[in-house]
Amino acid sequence: DGGITQSPKYLFRKEGQNVTLSCEQNLNHDAMYWYRQDPGQGLRLIYYSQIVNDFQKGDIAEGYSVSREKKESFPLTVTSAQKNPTAFYLCASSIRPSTEKLFFGSGTQLSVL
Amino acid sequence: QQQVKQSPQSLIVQKGGISIINCAYENTAFDYFPWYQQFPGKGPALLIAIRPDVSEKKEGRFTISFNKSAKQFSLHIMDSQPGDSATYFCAASRRGSSNTGKLIFGQGTTLQVKP
Repeated sequence: DGGITQSPKYLFRKEGQNVTLSCEQNLNHDAMYWYRQDPGQGLRLIYYSQIVNDFQKGDIAEGYSVSREKKESFPLTVTSAQKNPTAFYLCASSIRPSTEKLFFGSGTQLSVL
Repeated sequence: QQQVKQSPQSLIVQKGGISIINCAYENTAFDYFPWYQQFPGKGPALLIAIRPDVSEKKEGRFTISFNKSAKQFSLHIMDSQPGDSATYFCAASRRGSSNTGKLIFGQGTTLQVKP
């Protein structure tokens, strides 16, 4: 089955710790995205990548970092600089950067210990 | 100018009733208006989308109504079913490579359909 796999489903972060969320897709999509979902605030774009080895900041990139070394993988690191990391993180992809339809993974819930 | 405002925040409807969720936008350059459906613990999935050259689009029990002059669009779910209970997000975007994937999402509406 083609799709987007996010792992882990639940993740806990200690103070001062960096954590990495995994996102893998086998849809052969060029573009990948990371969104943050908070209750009552909709989805906000953290980073996006249109092509391998290239990525752009979204609206709330501070405290986060990404890499795109392979077409199918777009991991997100939540650094210790992100002071309010508790949220539901969603990875998405689209066939091409200009394609508007997004396909989402099932998300990772990150909580602070 | 980049906001999309969605209402209500939550909605309870009886089975068989009509669910209506509204969204308003500010940026007149937006030209793509999708609705996403999200079940608990899952990622959103595209439900239906409309472009401003039409005033209405229907797919099964789901209809988008679009009012360009008022800068508003709404989702109507006819004959609502308990399986429709989910969170619904409206969104908007503008075509062009500089806005790739930059959907602006509304705040979400949690719909509960009672049997």
